[in-house]
Amino acid sequence: DSGVTQTPKHLITATGQRVTLRCSPRSGDLSVYWYQQSLDQGLQFLIQYYNGEERAKGNILERFSAQQFPDLHSELNLSSLELGDSALYFCASSVDGADNQPQHFGDGTRLSIL
Amino acid sequence: GQQLNQSPQSMFIQEGEDVSMNCTSSSIFNTWLWYKQEPGEGPVLLIALYKAGELTSNGRLTAQFGITRKDSFLNISASIPSDVGIYFCAGLSTLYSGGGADGLTFGKGTHLIIQP
Repeated sequence: DSGVTQTPKHLITATGQRVTLRCSPRSGDLSVYWYQQSLDQGLQFLIQYYNGEERAKGNILERFSAQQFPDLHSELNLSSLELGDSALYFCASSVDGADNQPQHFGDGTRLSIL
Repeated sequence: GQQLNQSPQSMFIQEGEDVSMNCTSSSIFNTWLWYKQEPGEGPVLLIALYKAGELTSNGRLTAQFGITRKDSFLNISASIPSDVGIYFCAGLSTLYSGGGADGLTFGKGTHLIIQP
């Protein structure tokens, strides 16, 4: 158990809809990362938050947004969903986001767009 | 963007054999991490490497951070059935001068299959 909690485990919805994925980092970790895993693209970094502030952006679409709350949990919002958004979405956390800190992953949310 | 070339893509081995996989990049990384992923689960951290040239072991696993900071390898000795899974290398680079890091760049994974 990595200590990173993601909910829900599975999400099935239709094109055009909006969903929210939730992540609770490990106790004591201030930095949260979101990743997307798909068969064709592999694991891709989306966005990072540190102590409530956005710190780095990767390959995140404009239809996607995230935030980190004062209690350090984070939410990833996906809107105007398309079939190609079907993927596994992982959250990871690290102590302070420095490059000498490993990232620990949750078990992911599997998003299926019908 | 940064890319990691991980090889081999898959390995079919007999129980008890040693395994070797590696990652190379055209970019420099400050940290190399090796993860294992099993079906229905997230990547689990196996080994973290923070210094060029560093050689680190975790039980039957050994990994090295290349001197050029552009490559890393992972070896598994005396494989057992529970070693089955997908192994990913990941590199981390410094975005901020204060040592803050960007997100991980992942290789495509090495699928390890152990034949009975």
